[in-house]
Amino acid sequence: NAGVTQTPKFQVLKTGQSMTLQCAQDMNHEYMSWYRQDPGMGLRLIHYSVGAGITDQGEVPNGYNVSRSTTEDFPLRLLSAAPSQTSVYFCASSPRGVGNQPQHFGDGTRLSIL
Amino acid sequence: SQELEQSPQSLIVQEGKNLTINCTSSKTLYGLYWYKQKYGEGLIFLMMLQKGGEEKSHEKITAKLDEKKQQSSLHITASQPSHAGIYLCGADNTGTASKLTFGTGTRLQVTL
Repeated sequence: NAGVTQTPKFQVLKTGQSMTLQCAQDMNHEYMSWYRQDPGMGLRLIHYSVGAGITDQGEVPNGYNVSRSTTEDFPLRLLSAAPSQTSVYFCASSPRGVGNQPQHFGDGTRLSIL
Repeated sequence: SQELEQSPQSLIVQEGKNLTINCTSSKTLYGLYWYKQKYGEGLIFLMMLQKGGEEKSHEKITAKLDEKKQQSSLHITASQPSHAGIYLCGADNTGTASKLTFGTGTRLQVTL
């Protein structure tokens, strides 16, 4: 079972470059989220989506774009990478339904901006 | 101040000892999720609590939810080296669980 798949696992970028972090889930989950994890700060929500075609900002959305054209995919785009975006990025998904369900997390993408 | 305060930030315990990690929300709690993260890896779901007074256990880990205090605790009995890692609590403050707010995490080390 694949679950939530994130690619790439590691990436090094130069300041000003753009890139897309990929996230795909095969569980037909409606909800998907992107978080970043920095030392001493836990996970902070960047953007989230409650279904295809619907996205919303989280706590730290600046410098990032998302789109949700399909239920399965939720890519995160860095428009112009900055050293402050060096972090570990996690994608998560969960189903919508009666009773809350836990979020399932991918293994993360470790991103360094030089 | 943090919307979700988690304490302690780090903990070193001797193998066999008990420990407790706390998580307090400044907003209404509709659900509280506990995750464990091994260093450099993703998050593993441990338990979900939704109702006031709810208590769940899995092996030697017990989690409780005090809805009135907007607080949850995670208790590990007779700790083992396999319990080492980072424990994170995530709060659903919307009632839909479409997004979670996470605490800063508790780094647990278990010494022999």
